[in-house]
Amino acid sequence: QVQLVESGGGLVKSGGSLRLSCAASGFTFSDHYMSWIRQAPGKGLEWVSYISSSSSYINYAESVKGRFTISRDNARNSLYLQMNSLRAEDTAVYYCASLLWSTYGFEYWGQGILVTVSS
Amino acid sequence: QSALTQPASVSGSPGQSITVSCTGTYSDVGAYNYVSWYQQEPGKAPKLMIYDVSNRPSGISNRFSGSKSGNTASLTISGLQAEDEADYYCCSYTNSSTLVFGGGTKLTVL
Repeated sequence: QVQLVESGGGLVKSGGSLRLSCAASGFTFSDHYMSWIRQAPGKGLEWVSYISSSSSYINYAESVKGRFTISRDNARNSLYLQMNSLRAEDTAVYYCASLLWSTYGFEYWGQGILVTVSS
Repeated sequence: QSALTQPASVSGSPGQSITVSCTGTYSDVGAYNYVSWYQQEPGKAPKLMIYDVSNRPSGISNRFSGSKSGNTASLTISGLQAEDEADYYCCSYTNSSTLVFGGGTKLTVL
């Protein structure tokens, strides 16, 4: 069965850095676009970034552009999010998700990992 | 990119039908047929219910349907059941090659 398992979350001070990882299994990871989506406590979903299957296409939400970097390692079936210059408003549960083949629906989701940025 | 506009809440009785709207602009919902809908139960990850405006993934009940007219997409749930109570989010691709979610709609089954 498909599994997406996030790790690397935790408590970090404002201005600090954190690297999230997402380990994928149960599907052909290298064939799929992948994405990070976050949800602040009690709030709605916010798309953060996506990366194409070969890492050729990458895009970010304006709120994280220049601070966050998405990457992937197809040999390790893993997705990453390097988060720098963290702010209190980055506090959220971060989900990794795979996109459906050739479209923009988020088919599979991880269980989410909490990132808390303290001021 | 501003969030898509959804009603904060909708409600219905078991067996009824409800519709959740998702209003965007000519730059997102109106420009592409890449609208998707997600169901999120408390404490759980979201679940894909509809993609490409009106397509259901395997395993999703045909009580869930999607449509679009102009800059507004809609999710309709027919034959409402208690288990449908959840938050629902729409999402659209945009002409900036980004994605944008709606603010979410809380569905209450009376």
